[in-house]
Amino acid sequence: SYELTQPPSVSVSPGQTVSITCSGDKLGDKSVCWYHQKAGQAPQLVICEDRKRPAGIPARFSASNSGNTATLTVSGTQAMDEADYFCQAWDSSSVFFGGGTKLTVL
Amino acid sequence: EVQLVESGGGLIQPGESLRLSCAASGLSVSRNFMTWVRQAPGTGLQWVSLIYTDETSLYADSVKGRFTISRDNSKNTVYLQMNNLRAEDTGIYYCARVLQYYFDLWGQGTLVTVSS
Repeated sequence: SYELTQPPSVSVSPGQTVSITCSGDKLGDKSVCWYHQKAGQAPQLVICEDRKRPAGIPARFSASNSGNTATLTVSGTQAMDEADYFCQAWDSSSVFFGGGTKLTVL
Repeated sequence: EVQLVESGGGLIQPGESLRLSCAASGLSVSRNFMTWVRQAPGTGLQWVSLIYTDETSLYADSVKGRFTISRDNSKNTVYLQMNNLRAEDTGIYYCARVLQYYFDLWGQGTLVTVSS
């Protein structure tokens, strides 16, 4: 089994920049994607580290991955960005998700 | 409109079986990799199973030997047959399309509750 670790929660003021981390053994060797899930809704793809962002996801979302840590950065955070964020990676023909980080926009 | 609609969830007793369906529109399940992901109440996401276009499949260790993923091309539907259900299988089950290594399109989910 492969473990991905995320902080349970982060908070940010509107207009500020916030980063959410995802840690795993040699994670930098893998392709990592991020999803967000708003209350009562299904998860939605936000971005993959190679900057694959689906239509409708704004450019203020960016991602990076190196060493043992992948990072999702939200620049100019807006109230609508408040959600749970999950990282995802493949390992040994299985898919793993991080435990999720609740982003609160204060 | 491209969408996935899950159905088949419900309340079921431990040890019993249930089959979930994921009906696709606007895309062909036979030409896409498809997957199931579940979410226990108040917790995170857990990958369950995936079916490739050649119908080979992958499973999480927690469901291997109990769950089977399949598809019916004529109905454009993916299924998840769940046998010998346990309380820890309780959760919302989402169907999603797989592109390369990411899940780009998700259904709204169907709730499975395993309880006596």
